[in-house]
Amino acid sequence: DAGVIQSPRHEVTEMGQEVTLRCKPISGHDYLFWYRQTMMRGLELLIYFNNNVPIDDSGMPEDRFSAKMPNASFSTLKIQPSEPRDSAVYFCASSTSQGAGSPLHFGNGTRLTVT
Amino acid sequence: QKEVEQDPGPLSVPEGAIVSLNCTYSNSAFQYFMWYRQYSRKGPELLMYTYSSGNKEDGRFTAQVDKSSKYISLFIRDSQPSDSATYLCAMSMYSGGGADGLTFGKGTHLIIQP
Repeated sequence: DAGVIQSPRHEVTEMGQEVTLRCKPISGHDYLFWYRQTMMRGLELLIYFNNNVPIDDSGMPEDRFSAKMPNASFSTLKIQPSEPRDSAVYFCASSTSQGAGSPLHFGNGTRLTVT
Repeated sequence: QKEVEQDPGPLSVPEGAIVSLNCTYSNSAFQYFMWYRQYSRKGPELLMYTYSSGNKEDGRFTAQVDKSSKYISLFIRDSQPSDSATYLCAMSMYSGGGADGLTFGKGTHLIIQP
């Protein structure tokens, strides 16, 4: 089991550029979540999918953020245009069910810096 | 008032000490309580999960929930340098919680000094 795989690990970009973060969930997991973590705000849920369908995107901060899950093994989070306040660590997580006792399996994150 | 409050630390203790990590919350509807451990440059991983009030023990770790006080704790006995990490509490109203309704604390940074 390779775990949740995220790429890139680090991304440094200039304000106004498009940023695409990628995630491969654990095989067989039917839920996929995108989180953002900052010192100020902690871990925030941005959006989650069930069976590739977006269920709740109320955490997506602005229209500049979009997420897709074209198949069960791949998801992207896109920011266009990026702004310095988007700098954070972005985590993807997957789960076998939505049960509270079913752990979220997190990737190691993408550290985004927007200058 | 924030829904979940957690002291960010850092909390520094000598090896072998008993560690107490805590969270308070305001939403009395929370029923499911979790502790995640996050090592530096890594994603969080589930450490403990409890339902409603009471204690749960797993090796050197004990999770305690006091719903009347809206207070949860994680105790680590015989702490080791490898326990140095950030510990995030998380709680949910639903058994089908997963991430729907799952609220995280900001985490406490724990340092165990050899």
